[in-house]
Amino acid sequence: KQEVTQIPAALSVPEGENLVLNCSFTDSAIYNLQWFRQDPGKGLTSLLLIQSSQREQTSGRLNASLDKSSGRSTLYIAASQPGDSATYLCAVNPDKLIFGTGTRLQVFP
Amino acid sequence: GAVVSQHPSRVICKSGTSVKIECRSLDFQATTMFWYRQFPKQSLMLMATSNEGSKATYEQGVEKDKFLINHASLTLSTLTVTSAHPEDSSFYICSARIPTNEKLFFGSGTQLSVL
Repeated sequence: KQEVTQIPAALSVPEGENLVLNCSFTDSAIYNLQWFRQDPGKGLTSLLLIQSSQREQTSGRLNASLDKSSGRSTLYIAASQPGDSATYLCAVNPDKLIFGTGTRLQVFP
Repeated sequence: GAVVSQHPSRVICKSGTSVKIECRSLDFQATTMFWYRQFPKQSLMLMATSNEGSKATYEQGVEKDKFLINHASLTLSTLTVTSAHPEDSSFYICSARIPTNEKLFFGSGTQLSVL
């Protein structure tokens, strides 16, 4: 059974810091992995999608890497801003999305 | 990007009543939509997969008769929580997949509170 874990569960940092959020999964047989952002009481916004054959994807200040063999992905946020405060979820897709427990990020001025 | 509209955003109802939640894909046709629920500080759990023109596929432990799903058109799926009870209070989110793209796009969610 696929299990997805995210570390840390919560993170509070001052503005400007570079951050790394971690996601691990138990079964490497996936088609892709996605990172999402969720604001309180809101839906999800897709940030990055990495196909199983890819190693990383970049969008602006975000960079996501994937090491399928070790069952790990990281989301790197450069020069964090208060507007980045949200919960970040990773999800793997063997045939349907399985979500991690999320990392609650707070960036303070 | 693709837009998925979900309504209502918040609903409060009395125990025993039924609540319908709509999920629409505004600028694309979605043959498949997904329904999730999320309890406070927990991650999303897939409830069911909704396929246009056919019966929904429910995840283990999800009651079909309680959570009725209808996907009558390529742009609309509905989730009806029948005879709602306080334990059904949760955040419900739908998502839709563009047929040619593996990305999922999510609605803004519905916060259901059953008194």
